[in-house]
Amino acid sequence: NAGVTQTPKFRVLKTGQSMTLLCAQDMNHEYMYWYRQDPGMGLRLIHYSVGEGTTAKGEVPDGYNVSRLKKQNFLLGLESAAPSQTSVYFCASSTGLAGVPDTQYFGPGTRLTVL
Amino acid sequence: GQSLEQPSEVTAVEGAIVQINCTYQTSGFYGLSWYQQHDGGAPTFLSYNALDGLEETGRFSSFLSRSDSYGYLLLQELQMKDSASYFCAVPRNTGFQKLVFGTGTRLLVSP
Repeated sequence: NAGVTQTPKFRVLKTGQSMTLLCAQDMNHEYMYWYRQDPGMGLRLIHYSVGEGTTAKGEVPDGYNVSRLKKQNFLLGLESAAPSQTSVYFCASSTGLAGVPDTQYFGPGTRLTVL
Repeated sequence: GQSLEQPSEVTAVEGAIVQINCTYQTSGFYGLSWYQQHDGGAPTFLSYNALDGLEETGRFSSFLSRSDSYGYLLLQELQMKDSASYFCAVPRNTGFQKLVFGTGTRLLVSP
């Protein structure tokens, strides 16, 4: 049981390049999330998904796109990277049980630098 | 919207007790969670309070006062491995499952 995994762990991009971050979970969770973490800013929600085939915008969605074609995978795409997107990106998942905030399980993170 | 305030840094020595405070502003309230994050690591869930009072889990306890919009995380018998950042979080108004995180409190434990 690997929990939540993310690839790659590190990446350096040049401004304008594109890339996709992959998140996978083996806990059969319905809900999945992408966050970015910047120094002094805590965790900010980029996009999330409440089930296979669904996605929705979070707090800071501009410049990112996501897809959830399979329940266990959640992809985050950067179409044209900008230096402001230099950050640590975390994927998380949760069961999505109704009515009660439940535990979010986080992946190890991807450190992205945009030059 | 929601906002949470935490001290940016707290220092303590091994064996001591430390309290990390969190005040929040929300238009509705559905519980307060705490997460721990070691440097270079992922956040991990510590505790959740839906009702007023103290919840104890080993050396860690979490307290909530809904009337004061205030909670705290209490760490007892501090160990060096407790050096980490601690985040409080509340669900967004629009959905229980989506959390708003505070900016985190960095705890430094010295020998």
